[in-house]
Amino acid sequence: DQQVKQNSPSLSVQEGRISILNCDYTNSMFDYFLWYKKYPAEGPTFLISISSIKDKNEDGRFTVFLNKSAKHLSLHIVPSQPGDSAVYFCAASGWGGGSNYKLTFGKGTLLTVNP
Amino acid sequence: DGGITQSPKYLFRKEGQNVTLSCEQNLNHDAMYWYRQDPGQGLRLIYYSQIVNDFQKGDIAEGYSVSREKKESFPLTVTSAQKNPTAFYLCASRLTRDTEAFFGQGTRLTVV
Repeated sequence: DQQVKQNSPSLSVQEGRISILNCDYTNSMFDYFLWYKKYPAEGPTFLISISSIKDKNEDGRFTVFLNKSAKHLSLHIVPSQPGDSAVYFCAASGWGGGSNYKLTFGKGTLLTVNP
Repeated sequence: DGGITQSPKYLFRKEGQNVTLSCEQNLNHDAMYWYRQDPGQGLRLIYYSQIVNDFQKGDIAEGYSVSREKKESFPLTVTSAQKNPTAFYLCASRLTRDTEAFFGQGTRLTVV
């Protein structure tokens, strides 16, 4: 039972354009969402987060949008740079059973930004 | 210099042997996590702990065990009951449930 879904395994965009990465969740008790960036054989690094009381959060080139009614969030990167090429993970926290500290990740989306 | 440290980076074991992966943090975080990454599977939660002397099973706890005797440490034991132990293991910690988690650099375990 996959509670956090990233349905696009990969995405390719041109440098300078917008990258949009999508994430869906099924558990209505999730109330805090995060995006991470990961390179091979390294630990993920935190990018940006959003609480369920908001619908948008911005940090520099990164913006996360949350649509609670659709149980959907997206990460926008503008403008995209070649250094953004990595795997991006969506994660959610909330009452996932047993504890509200449980942190559940999606399968990730490989973003490739072409020069 | 605060952070979360996993050791060793690479670990080799023979099939049938138990092995313990180390995770230490000096961030004063209450919560700690263990994940496993396999190709195409994303990060799957093995165990997590909200506080010292307490931990909960994640989504794939079978064949693994943990302890949380100190706030700074959350070791993971991969037992011989784990059918496919070869994987990349990641440890994380976070201060509260609505803050970001910080990850270690991971341990690549290979069982031959």
